[in-house]
Amino acid sequence: EAGVAQSPRYKIIEKRQSVAFWCNPISGHATLYWYQQILGQGPKLLIQFQNNGVVDDSQLPKDRFSAERLKGVDSTLKIQPAKLEDSAVYLCASSLGDWIITDTQYFGPGTRLTVL
Amino acid sequence: EDKVVQSPLSLVVHEGDTVTLNCSYEVTNFRSLLWYKQEKKAPTFLFMLTSSGIEKKSGRLSSILDKKELFSILNITATQTGDSAVYLCAVEAAGTYKYIFGTGTRLKVLA
Repeated sequence: EAGVAQSPRYKIIEKRQSVAFWCNPISGHATLYWYQQILGQGPKLLIQFQNNGVVDDSQLPKDRFSAERLKGVDSTLKIQPAKLEDSAVYLCASSLGDWIITDTQYFGPGTRLTVL
Repeated sequence: EDKVVQSPLSLVVHEGDTVTLNCSYEVTNFRSLLWYKQEKKAPTFLFMLTSSGIEKKSGRLSSILDKKELFSILNITATQTGDSAVYLCAVEAAGTYKYIFGTGTRLKVLA
């Protein structure tokens, strides 16, 4: 079974530039998550999709971050403009989203962003 | 506010030692608790716990959940240098598929 795919794996940009990350979840997984993990901290949920609808984006800095999952499959996360404090690993995860079975979320390899 | 607290924050042991990592939580409508191992990449899944008192075991790793006292422990016996990693605990709230992560316990196993 193919896992969660993310690209790029690494990105270095200067502050005030824009960047976009892409995620393709495991086939059939309805729920998709974007996490931000700053060095030395646990992952922080940025946004959660159920199919193509947003379930939770309460911790997404909406003045600069945006995310979409238009067809309910793959997703993009954008930062515009980037700040130094956005340097982190951005993790995408997916789960079945089955309301009956407690399921596990599977993580992609992450995108390491460095903002200079 | 939902929260997950892990302890200790970091731990250094020698090969062969046994370690116990703790995870306590306050989550509305608890559904499940998950343990992950994170090395220099994305977290990898270890265990999912939903019921109290039932130990999950995989090789030298084991975990148990206490839903009355709202905590879980992860035990690693006969530690090896390859066990060096950050161990993350996450709790899922029912009906939301929302996972709240702790900050992790950084384990270093010395040869």
